[in-house]
Formats: sequence, structure tokens, C-alpha cells
Amino acid sequence: ETGVTQTPRHLVMGMTNKKSLKCEQHLGHNAMYWYKQSAKKPLELMFVYSLEERVENNSVPSRFSPECPNSSHLFLHLHTLQPEDSALYLCASSQGVSGGGRQETQYFGPGTRLLVL
Amino acid sequence: GENVEQHPSTLSVQEGDSAVIKCTYSDSASNYFPWYKQELGKGPQLIIDIRSNVGEKKDQRIAVTLNKTAKHFSLHITETQPEDSAVYFCAAASGSARQLTFGSGTQLTVLP
Repeated sequence: ETGVTQTPRHLVMGMTNKKSLKCEQHLGHNAMYWYKQSAKKPLELMFVYSLEERVENNSVPSRFSPECPNSSHLFLHLHTLQPEDSALYLCASSQGVSGGGRQETQYFGPGTRLLVL
Repeated sequence: GENVEQHPSTLSVQEGDSAVIKCTYSDSASNYFPWYKQELGKGPQLIIDIRSNVGEKKDQRIAVTLNKTAKHFSLHITETQPEDSAVYFCAAASGSARQLTFGSGTQLTVLP
């Protein structure tokens, strides 16, 4: 195991529901990430947090709302999603956030498989 | 921004043969190139990475080569085993970038 856990592993929700995805890392890292993985497409970075501060937001629709209460936990709050939002949502963490001439290795959780009906 | 292309999208090899997956990138400033393996039902796991100050790196049966002039890098798996069957992703990032740009993945199947 990588030390990054995600719950739930599977989620089915209607377009009017509100749900939250949870990620926890046990690695002592300071940066956490949300990715979206759709079939036949590259991983898409959604959000980056460094020391609980959002440092990157890749033009993600407002129906996705991240929350990082501390450096070990990351949430993704979902509301009024669309069927095209169905995908595998992956959380990752790294020692620090990349940039400034340095790239940090990212460790991924197992993902939450989301189906929006 | 960076663009990473990965080929082939699917690859089948006989057990014991070698497998090669290739990626090209567009940003000449990219200097970090990791490879991830994703098994069914799991998240991507880092298997090897290379930085631009070296041309090749090996770890047992896995090796990665980098050609900065041509802007491409490759993953080589020798003596393949059925447990190597998975989806493999390449990625690239420059030192100033906060994010990795991933390729679209290669489904490797090792036939017994």
C-alpha cells in the first residue's frame, strides 16, 4: 500500500445529491492533489494543496469543491453533478509541492469510482 | 503548456519477452519524467523516474531512457511476467511546473 487511503471506494449518486470524497495520507507529506481519471484519457489534475492552502485550481467547475482541513486530510465535496462527471477520482500526496526547480514524487491512493445517474 | 503523447495504447507480449513503451513531450524545459503502473482497481504506483541530467536509469527488469534532443523517453521491461500486466502511464514536468502532464496510458498484457 502507498500510505494514501480513499473512501468510499465506489459511489453512485443522482444529479441532485450532495456527497463527499475523503482522502487521508499517512506519509507525513505536505502537499495533496485531486485528479480525475476518465476512460481512455490522461489523468487530469483538478486541485493542489500545500500546507492546507490551495495553490492550483485547474478550471474545475464549481460543482466540485475541495477542502483541506490539515495536511493529512483532503475532501472533495460534490453537488449537482452531471453524468459526464462519472470517473475515477484519485487523490495523491507528495513531500512538498512541485515547482521552483524541483519535482516531487507523487503517491496515489486507490481512487473512488464515481457514477452519476 | 506541456503535451505528452504515449504509444502504443495497447501492447501484448509473450511471457519472457521485452516490452517497450514510448512517450514524446513538447516542452523543452521539462526535466522530470516518472512512469506509473496502474493495476485493476488500484491507483497509479510509481515504478521508476528519471531526471534530465541522466540518459538512462535501471531498476532490476525495468529501465527508462531519455533523449532530450529528440524530446522522447521510453520504458523498457525485460523478461516480462504475467504480473507486469497493467496500464502504464508516462508523465513529464518542468521544474517550474506545479503539475505533472500524463500520457494517455498503455495497456500491457503479458501472455503466459
